[in-house]
Amino acid sequence: GAVVSQHPSWVICKSGTSVKIECRSLDFQATTMFWYRQFPKQSLMLMATSNEGSKATYEQGVEKDKFLINHASLTLSTLTVTSAHPEDSSFYICSATTDGAPSYNEQFFGPGTRLTVL
Amino acid sequence: GENVEQHPSTLSVQEGDSAVIKCTYSDSASNYFPWYKQELGKGPQLIIDIRSNVGEKKDQRIAVTLNKTAKHFSLHITETQPEDSAVYFCAASKSGNQGGKLIFGQGTELSVKP
Repeated sequence: GAVVSQHPSWVICKSGTSVKIECRSLDFQATTMFWYRQFPKQSLMLMATSNEGSKATYEQGVEKDKFLINHASLTLSTLTVTSAHPEDSSFYICSATTDGAPSYNEQFFGPGTRLTVL
Repeated sequence: GENVEQHPSTLSVQEGDSAVIKCTYSDSASNYFPWYKQELGKGPQLIIDIRSNVGEKKDQRIAVTLNKTAKHFSLHITETQPEDSAVYFCAASKSGNQGGKLIFGQGTELSVKP
């Protein structure tokens, strides 16, 4: 149980275009989802926290107009990178938590999406 | 804000030896400490976690210890195998209205030589 999927697993796009990444909880309802970015040989950096039906909370330094997050249902959150540039190339990872044990804070991670902007 | 320091950044051991990775955290309110294994090109995989009401937890060859007073926690891997080679991350979080935001350490690249 507690499986999180991401789609696509990798994407290559041209500079200036927008890219949408989906994060789905397959066998549980995710009231909270998190989006991380990871550059090569670095740690995971939290970008934003999204709760179903409400606006995402962005970490300091993350442009909310560039990284659009939508958490429209309890099983789906999307991250859209708008007007992507080569510096946005990175590994994007989502995670999800269930309402069942919020006090324990356990997060279930997706497999990640490799974005390359040419 | 909360900060998690992880050492060492790289660790090389011979197959069969033990490996120890250490983390310290700054926020005394943190109460959940997971460890993740990340293989190249994949998402993090939870390998073990510990809550603040427990001092030690073991799962086969993996164990985690927590010293709340010193704000330290460590990952111990015994009888290492080549398939243990990966990057390991520690993290810390606390209960609250932010839904348990995880703060990650910098990562340790473990290499197990046959």
